[in-house]
Amino acid sequence: EAGVVQSPRYKIIEKKQPVAFWCNPISGHNTLYWYLQNLGQGPELLIRYENEEAVDDSQLPKDRFSAERLKGVDSTLKIQPAELGDSAVYLCASSERAGSPLHFGNGTRLTVT
Amino acid sequence: AQTVTQSQPEMSVQEAETVTLSCTYDTSESDYYLFWYKQPPSRQMILVIRQEAYKQQNATENRFSVNFQKAAKSFSLKISDSQLGDAAMYFCAYRGLYNNNDMRFGAGTRLTVKP
Repeated sequence: EAGVVQSPRYKIIEKKQPVAFWCNPISGHNTLYWYLQNLGQGPELLIRYENEEAVDDSQLPKDRFSAERLKGVDSTLKIQPAELGDSAVYLCASSERAGSPLHFGNGTRLTVT
Repeated sequence: AQTVTQSQPEMSVQEAETVTLSCTYDTSESDYYLFWYKQPPSRQMILVIRQEAYKQQNATENRFSVNFQKAAKSFSLKISDSQLGDAAMYFCAYRGLYNNNDMRFGAGTRLTVKP
């Protein structure tokens, strides 16, 4: 089966500019996650979707971050405006059901200059 | 809230030797899952091994095995016959079964394998 696909792989932008990341989960996986991973740290959850519903977005900085999963399949994570501290790797993952392992994409490395 | 602690930022092992990575966690739930993920420089998180909390038997996957101590809330990973390709960041992760279905990760352990 095809894995979780993320794009772009790398992104370099200037501060205050907008940026968007895209994720296509594994077919049939209803749960989709966006994680933030800072250098040398473990991933931290930003938002979790069950189908098209965001069931946990408590860690998402809503003043500048937004996400959507309109048809319950692929998802977009947006930052506007980006800040220097947003430089990190953004990981997308999906899972089939509760308790199932998460399958991760290759992530997007964002550099804000 | 559930927390996962990996107290070893870095570990080193000689090729063909055995190494154990430590992980402890905190939870009030009785049913949950524990995982070890490997993250090579390519950044993709790869599942190494999974343990269901209700199972007393320790999970094993080829050269990888765990020592799951539920009462102590400890979940260590043992890598036998270490290979150069095992070099990576290793993350311990917790996932609740009911109340909190999110996966929580530790800070990671960087494993170096010496030839």
